[in-house]
Amino acid sequence: KNQVEQSPQSLIILEGKNCTLQCNYTVSPFSNLRWYKQDTGRGPVSLTIMTFSENTKSNGRYTATLDADTKQSSLHITASQLSDSASYICVVLNNNAGNMLTFGGGTRLMVKP
Amino acid sequence: GAGVSQSPSNKVTEKGKDVELRCDPISGHTALYWYRQSLGQGLEFLIYFQGNSAPDKSGLPSDRFSAERTGGSVSTLTIQRTQQEDSAVYLCASSPQPGGELFFGEGSRLTVL
Repeated sequence: KNQVEQSPQSLIILEGKNCTLQCNYTVSPFSNLRWYKQDTGRGPVSLTIMTFSENTKSNGRYTATLDADTKQSSLHITASQLSDSASYICVVLNNNAGNMLTFGGGTRLMVKP
Repeated sequence: GAGVSQSPSNKVTEKGKDVELRCDPISGHTALYWYRQSLGQGLEFLIYFQGNSAPDKSGLPSDRFSAERTGGSVSTLTIQRTQQEDSAVYLCASSPQPGGELFFGEGSRLTVL
């Protein structure tokens, strides 16, 4: 069964600190992995998409890593800001027909001043 | 507008009434998805459209839920005889092609009293 597990479920950090969110998946066959940011009361917004051959990808203060062998990904946030407070969702695409997308439950991040 | 548009943004209804939620995807996007998100929870897949057809509607929770898409564009999600457990945010996303990057709307928040 295709599954995406994220940890931790929630996290509180102080402004300016770094943090790392984890995503483990069992989706097969793997096509790509996406990280989304969802602000409270808003729709998710794409942060990055990683394919099988990409190990690291940065988008500003966000850096995603992918280890396709161990089926793990991480999202590292550097020098956190209050606006980083949101839910971060890991989504994996498989190559089968139909829906093809498996969503993780998300990590709820709160950045405090 | 340039993004995915959903309406209404908020809907309060009485138990037993029917509701219709509308999604206007980005022009030219062939793939369209509906998700449900209960308070504090992750996204739950409902149905996927490719053009006007729905290759995957495995996520619809009961026969009270139905969706259609016309002209390869606008989609309507209909919930008949609403129940309190239907209360959630209903998110629509579109993509240029199946498995492509997802662009989400801001959601329709449904409250069933």
